[in-house]
Amino acid sequence: QLQLQESGPGLVKPSETLSLTCGVSGGSISGSYSYWGWVRQPPGKGLEWIATLYHSGDTYYNPSHKSRVTISVDMSKNQFSLKVNSVTAADTAIYYCVRGPYHFDDWGQGSRVTVSS
Amino acid sequence: DIVLTQSPGTLSLSPGERATLSCRASQSVSTRYLAWYQQKPGQAPKLLIFGASSRATGIPDRFSASGSGTDFTLTISRLEPEDFAVYYCQHYGNSPLWTFGHGTKVEAK
Repeated sequence: QLQLQESGPGLVKPSETLSLTCGVSGGSISGSYSYWGWVRQPPGKGLEWIATLYHSGDTYYNPSHKSRVTISVDMSKNQFSLKVNSVTAADTAIYYCVRGPYHFDDWGQGSRVTVSS
Repeated sequence: DIVLTQSPGTLSLSPGERATLSCRASQSVSTRYLAWYQQKPGQAPKLLIFGASSRATGIPDRFSASGSGTDFTLTISRLEPEDFAVYYCQHYGNSPLWTFGHGTKVEAK
């Protein structure tokens, strides 16, 4: 049973960089069907895809955030990460890590991030 | 950019009733890349349907979905108490690559 677990700081100051990590257990991050991504949900709002990577290194970004976002993988630790630069209050959300190429079969429990000074 | 419009915004029904949720795309999309999710309060979304009509593993058969082109439907044949939640449609393949609708809340009447 594949499991995804997000980790990261719950509070980030405006203009700083948000860093989140998703640990993968129950399967290899370099296995087949290996598209890994991030989806976020602002408080009381809907879902927004942010970024996805394939274990080979191909990356895909939501054009709305591409200039500020980096997704990366660490195969040795079986985990992948998200960095969002120059955060503002609009980046306050629950961040979910997800797996899947066309749809998202697996989701982490979510990491709540608040941007505030 | 493709836009997915879900209607209604809120559906108020009683247990045992039939729920019909709509997802309309701003342009024709492939059924292969249309999915539905259920999200309960405080929980991560859960995949219900992929490929427009295929149930994900473990999803009860009271959930069904259909559609093609720009119009897609999720149907819950008889609402169980645990089905009251928010439902999202999602598409892969345009810009942005993965797009969600804004959701339909199914609430108890």
